[in-house]
Amino acid sequence: GAGVSQSPSNKVTEKGKDVELRCDPISGHTALYWYRQSLGQGLEFLIYFQGNSAPDKSGLPSDRFSAERTGGSVSTLTIQRTQQEDSAVYLCASSLEGAATPLHFGPGTRLTVT
Amino acid sequence: AQSVTQLGSHVSVSEGALVLLRCNYSSSVPPYLFWYVQYPNQGLQLLLKYTSAATLVKGINGFEAEFKKSETSFHLTKPSAHMSDAAEYFCASKIQGAQKLVFGQGTRLTINP
Repeated sequence: GAGVSQSPSNKVTEKGKDVELRCDPISGHTALYWYRQSLGQGLEFLIYFQGNSAPDKSGLPSDRFSAERTGGSVSTLTIQRTQQEDSAVYLCASSLEGAATPLHFGPGTRLTVT
Repeated sequence: AQSVTQLGSHVSVSEGALVLLRCNYSSSVPPYLFWYVQYPNQGLQLLLKYTSAATLVKGINGFEAEFKKSETSFHLTKPSAHMSDAAEYFCASKIQGAQKLVFGQGTRLTINP
């Protein structure tokens, strides 16, 4: 079946602009995650959705970052007033509920802020 | 709180040699443990997972990992390295009651011909 898809695959934006990153999870997966991967920073957790609600948004680095999920499916991560330190690969993952279930990752969106 | 430590940010082995990538975890309750692989310019792919059914877990591409509670370790091994194994490997843990998957810093594996 189809895996997790993300769009765009690459995004170059100017400092101060807003960007939206999209994630389409695997059908039937109720849990959805956003991670950020930066050079030298490893994989940084941003936010977790269970259905349409976000019980854990502890990883969002600042109030410039927000995310929503609609219909228990598609999720959008929005970064307002982008800064150069926001440059990274943003990874989305989905899974069934349960601690033992693995996450399935998308290919990521590479964001470059100039 | 839970954390994952991968010893060695970069490991280099010769083709045909043993691969050993180290992972230690720290958590207040027994965790579920995962190894993921990331090939260049690709997303993360699950290699194997430990969910308490068996301490020795076999994964894809000839990799396996052994859960050792006494050492709080979950090291990844492969008897004979292949050039196609060159990638970055991430160890991760999740605990019951917490949905967040916590990752180690990653180990970049290089295979020398």
